[in-house]
Amino acid sequence: ILNVEQSPQSLHVQEGDSTNFTCSFPSSNFYALHWYRWETAKSPEALFVMTLNGDEKKKGRISATLNTKEGYSYLYIKGSQPEDSATYLCAPRLSGSARQLTFGSGTQLTVLP
Amino acid sequence: EAGVAQSPRYKIIEKRQSVAFWCNPISGHATLYWYQQILGQGPKLLIQFQNNGVVDDSQLPKDRFSAERLKGVDSTLKIQPAKLEDSAVYLCASSLSGGGGSYEQYFGPGTRLTVT
Repeated sequence: ILNVEQSPQSLHVQEGDSTNFTCSFPSSNFYALHWYRWETAKSPEALFVMTLNGDEKKKGRISATLNTKEGYSYLYIKGSQPEDSATYLCAPRLSGSARQLTFGSGTQLTVLP
Repeated sequence: EAGVAQSPRYKIIEKRQSVAFWCNPISGHATLYWYQQILGQGPKLLIQFQNNGVVDDSQLPKDRFSAERLKGVDSTLKIQPAKLEDSAVYLCASSLSGGGGSYEQYFGPGTRLTVT
């Protein structure tokens, strides 16, 4: 079983604050890392797929970095808005026949107006 | 493009009862997944189908859970009999392919099951 850790488990920030979360995973046999955003009562939404060490991806105010050698990824949100409130899930994929996703337990973000 | 559809959205049953969930994946997606997400944990893969064949069901509690994907399109997941610890959100996802290439998984809204 792949050990994927996300921290913090939950986070409350004020509107306008910038914030970041961490996803840690085993670095061996790495294939890709996925970030998802899951708002309450909605479908998990794909944010990024990252494959290369040093990768940086950006989507609006949200960005992510990847370090495959040490096995971690950071997700950053600049100028948080109430609509950013959601659970952010990371899921690494390892090399192998099925290359399945293994999800962390997520970081629950609440942005207070 | 229509997304992954799931029904019902919510279900409350008593322990030892049976329940079934339905999933309609995105058209043309060969791979379909069922996940179980217990409160406070990440989604856990229960079963993966490639067309109508099972790729991996190693984490499916086969004494009470079953799933099928007839004709390689829609899928149903059944629990019989349900236990209290089955209370969770059951997510269905689909992707174009399972092993490589365009592997992004697209999720449905889930079915929230409460077993009392």
